[in-house]
Order: sequence, then structure tokens, then C-alpha cells
Amino acid sequence: DIQMTQSPSSLSASVGDRVTITCRASQSISTYLNWYQQKPGRAPKLLISAASSLQSGVPSRFSGSGSGTDFTLTISSLQPEDFATYYCQQSYSTLAITFGQGTRLEIK
Amino acid sequence: QVQLQESGPGLVKPSETLSLTCTVSGGSISSYYWSWIRQPPGKGLEWIGYIFYSGSTNYNPSLKSRVAISVDTSKNQFSLNLRSVTAADTAVYYCARLPTTRDWFDPWGQGTLVTVSS
Repeated sequence: DIQMTQSPSSLSASVGDRVTITCRASQSISTYLNWYQQKPGRAPKLLISAASSLQSGVPSRFSGSGSGTDFTLTISSLQPEDFATYYCQQSYSTLAITFGQGTRLEIK
Repeated sequence: QVQLQESGPGLVKPSETLSLTCTVSGGSISSYYWSWIRQPPGKGLEWIGYIFYSGSTNYNPSLKSRVAISVDTSKNQFSLNLRSVTAADTAVYYCARLPTTRDWFDPWGQGTLVTVSS
């Protein structure tokens, strides 16, 4: 299986901060990388697909980049509603889809 | 727009079979892949498996020996059976659409908590 490792596992930041979350794959996955946001008690919500494609309705302060093994999710200016847990997910290996362990973004 | 809704028992006894159904509304189940994903309390997401509307399946290797996913196109539903459950299978179970096997999960159902306990 392709292992997905996110860093950091948790992060404290303030409203207005620029935040970057990293996701590293154990082998090259081209750009088959997706990002989700999950708030407590809610289902995950797709933010970015194919490494950098922002989903309709997702604020432009969210952006994704990367290819191969290293990917980043950036929030340019944190808003109160952005405090949540973020997951990356690879879809390169269609026989074994895997997620990162999650990054919990908390208010400082 | 397409919406998904999980249904099934919230409590299952150890060694028994966990059975859940996902009902798709607002669109046809045809032409897409449909998946189950779970999340133990306080933990991360684990992909369980997916099924194509035609019936072909693929499962997480770690669960493959206990999992079966089926589809009923006439009812616009797909189902999950997980055999021989233990407390480690306690989780929120989500169903989700996967446009192709190399795509992303969207949309998701709201999730349903299944507790394995005697």
C-alpha cells in the first residue's frame, strides 16, 4: 500500500495566519492527491482534487500544490470556520486507496 | 444534486455481521463507483472498498477476508456487509461516490455510528 504521511499532526494558529499542511506519499503518485476538511460530527468535505483543483464553492484562500511524492495545502488567511481536521487521500493506487492520518488545526 | 444516506443497526454483537445500506437520491447509481469509508472514534479515515454499478468490486486488503459490498440498481442502493466483527470495528461508517477509481470521494453521506458490543 502507498503510505500517506501528513505533517504536522496538529497545529495551533490564529485568525489571519497563513498555514501550510504537508502530505508525503511513500512513492510517486503523480497528482492523484485530494484534500478534505472535516469538522467535528460532520462528514469530510472535498476541498481540492488532483492536487490543485479547487472545488466549486470552496473559498479561494485554500490552495493545493505538488506532484510526485510531496504535496501542500495552504490556507492564505485563516478564518474562524477553517479550524478543523484536514486529510489528504491518494487515488493513484486504485487497488488500495489510502488517507493521511490527519492534521488538526486549532485556534491559538 | 446527489445525496447519500446510510442506514442500518447502530449496535452489533461481537462475531456477528455488520450490515449497512446507502441510498442514493437525486441521481442514478449507474455510471459511477460507490464506496464505504469508516472512522473509529477519535481516529482517522479508512477506506473499506468500492463497487461499480455493474457489480465489480475492490476491497481494502486489510479487510478483504471479511467484507462484501453489493449494489441494487433498481433501488438506487448499495450495501456493506462486514463479517465477524470485533470492538475494533466500532466506527462511524460513511458511504461516498467515487466518479472513477482514480478520483475523489464526493459527495459523502452524513455517516452512521456502529458500535460493536455485547
